[in-house]
Amino acid sequence: GAVVSQHPSRVICKSGTSVKIECRSLDFQATTMFWYRQFPKQSLMLMATSNEGSKATYEQGVEKDKFLINHASLTLSTLTVTSAHPEDSSFYICSARGPLIPYEQYFGPGTRLTVT
Amino acid sequence: GDSVTQMEGPVTLSEEAFLTINCTYTATGYPSLFWYVQYPGEGLQLLLKATKADDKGSNKGFEATYRKETTSFHLEKGSVQVSDSAVYFCALTLNAGGTSYGKLTFGQGTILTVHP
Repeated sequence: GAVVSQHPSRVICKSGTSVKIECRSLDFQATTMFWYRQFPKQSLMLMATSNEGSKATYEQGVEKDKFLINHASLTLSTLTVTSAHPEDSSFYICSARGPLIPYEQYFGPGTRLTVT
Repeated sequence: GDSVTQMEGPVTLSEEAFLTINCTYTATGYPSLFWYVQYPGEGLQLLLKATKADDKGSNKGFEATYRKETTSFHLEKGSVQVSDSAVYFCALTLNAGGTSYGKLTFGQGTILTVHP
């Protein structure tokens, strides 16, 4: 149980375009989801906390107008990278807070974004 | 702020060798501590956890003990296998409520490679 999926797994887009990444909790309802960014050989950096039905809370230094987060249902959160640039190329990972134990998170497999 | 420091990798071992990956933390409150594992091409999986001082988390032969006096949570395994090759992340979350509740702070990750 507690499976989280992400789509797409890989995406290549041109500079200036926008790309949307989906994060779904498949077998449980997630009122809170988290979005992380992982650079090569580095740790995960929390970008924002996404709560169903309310605005996302962004970490310091993360541009909310560039990384749009929408948590429209209890099983889906989306991250849209707007006007993408090569420096936005990264591995984006989402997680969902577990249904029973609040401090447990279940992670998606990640999305590799490459901006050319 | 809260932080997690892991020993630098990569770590390369022969099968059946003893493994230790050091992890120390700094936290303003009372954290829960975790080890996550990321196998190649997969998302992070919770390996083990400890929620209070002196707790020992264990799973799949791995162990870690929450040491408040040394602010440490070192990961150990007595006999590693090739299948243990992965990236290991130490992480913490604060148990208190408020805006930080449920947020994970990760260490930088340690790459483990086990040779036959």
